[in-house]
Amino acid sequence: TQLLEQSPQFLSIQEGENLTVYCNSSSVFSSLQWYRQEPGEGPVLLVTVVTGGEVKKLKRLTFQFGDARKDSSLHITAAQPGDTGLYLCAGPGSSNTGKLIFGQGTTLQVKP
Amino acid sequence: KAGVTQTPRYLIKTRGQQVTLSCSPISGHRSVSWYQQTPGQGLQFLFEYFSETQRNKGNFPGRFSGRQFSNSRSEMNVSTLELGDSALYLCASSLSGLAGFYTSTDTQYFGPGTRLTVL
Repeated sequence: TQLLEQSPQFLSIQEGENLTVYCNSSSVFSSLQWYRQEPGEGPVLLVTVVTGGEVKKLKRLTFQFGDARKDSSLHITAAQPGDTGLYLCAGPGSSNTGKLIFGQGTTLQVKP
Repeated sequence: KAGVTQTPRYLIKTRGQQVTLSCSPISGHRSVSWYQQTPGQGLQFLFEYFSETQRNKGNFPGRFSGRQFSNSRSEMNVSTLELGDSALYLCASSLSGLAGFYTSTDTQYFGPGTRLTVL
C-alpha cells in the first residue's frame, strides 16, 4: 500500500520565520506534487517534481524531491500571513489512472 | 479558460437520503476524478472516469457511484446517506488522467468542492 506521511501536522509561526514541511514514503513515486488548499476551496497545484534530486523554486518556496524518489520537502523562507493554509503532498497511485494519493496535510498558520 | 465547477457548493441531507453531486471539468479535459476529504481521513480517492468509462475505483462501499456524460461532465451519487458521509467532495479534471509516469497532461485541477452535511 502506498502511503505518504507528512510532518509536522500543524505549524504556527510568526511572520518572517522560515519553515520546512516533509513528505515521506517507503514507496518510490514517479513524481510528487505539492498543493495548497484554503478553507472551503479545492487544492491548488503549486509544483510537480519528477526527477530524483530535483529542486524547484517558486518565489519564497523551495521544493525538493529526494534522490530515491521516496520523499520530498517544502521550504518557505520569510513566511507571510498569505502563506497560511493547508499544504498537501500527493503522488500517483500505482494503478496509473487518475488516482492521486495524498498525505494528511500540514496546516500552516502565519501570524502577523 | 474556466476552471472546474462543482454544484451545489453546499448541501444538507438527512440519514437515509440520497444525493447527487455534479462536476463540470475544464473544457477539453476528458478525465474526471472524485475525492472525499474529511478531517480524520484526509483526501481519499473515490473513482475516475475517462470518456464515459470508470477506469479506477477506490475503497468505498457500493453506495458511492458515479457516471460521466459524453460532454465529460460527471456526477457522483451517494445512496442511503450515513453520518460519516459528511465531507467535502472534490472533483478534479485532467487531459489524460494517466497518473503513473507524469506528463503535463496528467496534472489534475481541482474544483472548489461540495460540502455535504448529513444530519
